[in-house]
Amino acid sequence: DTEVTQTPKHLVMGMTNKKSLKCEQHMGHRAMYWYKQKAKKPPELMFVYSYEKLSINESVPSRFSPECPNSSLLNLHLHALQPEDSALYLCASSQYREQFFGPGTRLTVL
Amino acid sequence: DAKTTQPNSMESNEEEPVHLPCNHSTISGTDYIHWYRQLPSQGPEYVIHGLTSNVNNRMASLAIAEDRKSSTLILHRATLRDAAVYYCILKTSYDKVIFGPGTSLSVIP
Repeated sequence: DTEVTQTPKHLVMGMTNKKSLKCEQHMGHRAMYWYKQKAKKPPELMFVYSYEKLSINESVPSRFSPECPNSSLLNLHLHALQPEDSALYLCASSQYREQFFGPGTRLTVL
Repeated sequence: DAKTTQPNSMESNEEEPVHLPCNHSTISGTDYIHWYRQLPSQGPEYVIHGLTSNVNNRMASLAIAEDRKSSTLILHRATLRDAAVYYCILKTSYDKVIFGPGTSLSVIP
């Protein structure tokens, strides 16, 4: 199984809502990543977990809160988001070099 | 942080070779050069990576300059399915990933 799955595919939320994005991989990869991608722009790295520990936080606002409950699962908890946070959120995993990306969650903040 | 620059767009005729350039003049000695491509409404897909030597795989070839300040992704025979945004990426030894701006490749039948 070389797939990274992300749920939900689409999410619409208000600025006062709390929601979570979920990412799963069963390839035994040690590293998992969250990226944010705005339209017609490259993905921007947000967070990296290595062996279930947060290793990189690219100065992401605290309204985004990552969590890695186990080696297969990565969550991104969202709270009090702004309309400019609307984007495609991509998850990826890797063992050493090649990253496997999920299809992304399209987030709209109203 | 090191960064990469790429042309905004390129065109190729079907079944002809395509050379996609990338500049990374501030690359550090341990950074790997990766290439990914992304189709609309999909996550990026791995194409190839290398450190110093040229690399070949079933999808493409990667030519890396001797000083490592630039690289070129080579698609040997472009097909319509190769139309995508191609990203040149630097990946550090501690998992930091820096995407370039991407080159949108159009393939003309």
